[in-house]
Amino acid sequence: AQSVTQLDSHVSVSEGTPVLLRCNYSSSYSPSLFWYVQHPNKGLQLLLKYTSAATLVKGINGFEAEFKKSETSFHLTKPSAHMSDAAEYFCVVSGTYSGGGADGLTFGKGTHLIIQP
Amino acid sequence: DAGVTQSPTHLIKTRGQHVTLRCSPISGHKSVSWYQQVLGQGPQFIFQYYEKEERGRGNFPDRFSARQFPNYSSELNVNALLLGDSALYLCASSLGLGTDTQYFGPGTRLTVL
Repeated sequence: AQSVTQLDSHVSVSEGTPVLLRCNYSSSYSPSLFWYVQHPNKGLQLLLKYTSAATLVKGINGFEAEFKKSETSFHLTKPSAHMSDAAEYFCVVSGTYSGGGADGLTFGKGTHLIIQP
Repeated sequence: DAGVTQSPTHLIKTRGQHVTLRCSPISGHKSVSWYQQVLGQGPQFIFQYYEKEERGRGNFPDRFSARQFPNYSSELNVNALLLGDSALYLCASSLGLGTDTQYFGPGTRLTVL
């Protein structure tokens, strides 16, 4: 079974400063990893996806994440925060599909990103 | 192209009632998954359907059921509603199974009184 731990429930940064949202995962196989963002009262939007092609993954809106197998981490970063980045961020690990069926995506509990003006 | 659509947007029911939620996937996507997101938590996997067959089920009671139609749209049904079923129900579509990226709809907000 796979699991995801988001190390911070809330992160507060000033506009224009770097953002770091931390995620550790556990999986018995080589997983696909995702970051999704959820703005208030909205659905989930895909930020980026890791599928083993490259350890540094670039996503939308200036976000990127680095896969580190030795640390089982997949932290999300952005060089300069913008007010519009304020939202809930979820680190997600893919499920498996075998003859027994699909597991679906496993979500972390989320990190609430607050941007101070 | 249209994204994943869900209906209704909001729904209010009372305990013991039944509810049906609907989802239309992105054109060309053959898999639909359902997730429940309780306030303050990450979404939890309920079902995945592919080619009209259930291919995966999360840890939810039998009161929860779903189906997928020939046009790949899907319904989620919940019987005998409990207060704890109040949540945002999210539908996601993907091309197939496994590690295919899932694209989410805006969700249906269900309130059980």
